Amino acid sequence: VQVVESGGGLVQPGRSLRLSCTASGFNVGDYSMSWVRLTPGKGLEWVGFIRTTTYGGTTDYAASVRGRFHISRDDSKNIAYLQMDSLKTEDTGVYYCNGGFNYYYMDVWGKGTTVTVSS
Amino acid sequence: DILMTQSPPSLSASVGDRVTISCRASQSITSYLNWYQQKSGKAPTLLIHGAFNLQSGVPSRFSGKGSGTDFTLTISSLQPDDFATYYCLQTYSAPRTFGQGTKVEIK
Repeated sequence: VQVVESGGGLVQPGRSLRLSCTASGFNVGDYSMSWVRLTPGKGLEWVGFIRTTTYGGTTDYAASVRGRFHISRDDSKNIAYLQMDSLKTEDTGVYYCNGGFNYYYMDVWGKGTTVTVSS
Repeated sequence: DILMTQSPPSLSASVGDRVTISCRASQSITSYLNWYQQKSGKAPTLLIHGAFNLQSGVPSRFSGKGSGTDFTLTISSLQPDDFATYYCLQTYSAPRTFGQGTKVEIK
C-alpha cells in the first residue's frame, strides 16, 4: 500500500500546476485522499481532501487555497489530483499526498513533491 | 475553523527523558485527534489516532491522552530515533487543522 506524488516543479506566480498521486495496493475510491504541504519556515498545513463515495465524494479545502485549488480523482487510473491555479509565492513547499481507509485518520503517505512558485 | 495550539514550540531533552507535548483545540473535537512525527526531509508518519490509539508498528513508549479540547502526547523514555518534529491534527471537522508543531532536539 503506497502513494507516489508527481508533477512538482518551478512555476511563475499566477500560473497553474497539477500534482498527481498514484496509488498502489488499494483503490483511491475506497480511501479519503488528502493533500498536506510543508512550507518553508512553517509547519505542516492541511490543504484539502476528497471524501469517499460513502461520505458523499465531496471536497473541502483550507481557507488559504479555497477557490484556487481543486482535488479530484480518477478511479479508473487509481490517481488523485491536486489542481493548483493562481499560484502565489506562499504556495511554495513540499506537497504530500496521503490517504486513509478510516475517514478520521490518514496512514498512507507519499514522499512528497516540491513546488516552487517564483518569477 | 478550529485552531490547534501546540506547546511548547520546541524542547531540548536527553535520551531516556520523559517528554510531554500538549495540544489544545479552540473548541471540542471529542477524540478526533491524531499525532504525527516528521523527521527532516521525510514524510510525516502517524503515531496516534483517535487521541489514544497507537498506530500499528509504533513503539509503546509513545502514548496519547485527552478528549474535548486538551490532549497530550507522551514519550516515556526518549530514544535517539525520536528527535523530530511532532504535530497534532484535528479530524473532527473540515477544514482539518494542524498544530504548529513541536521540535524535539537533543540536549
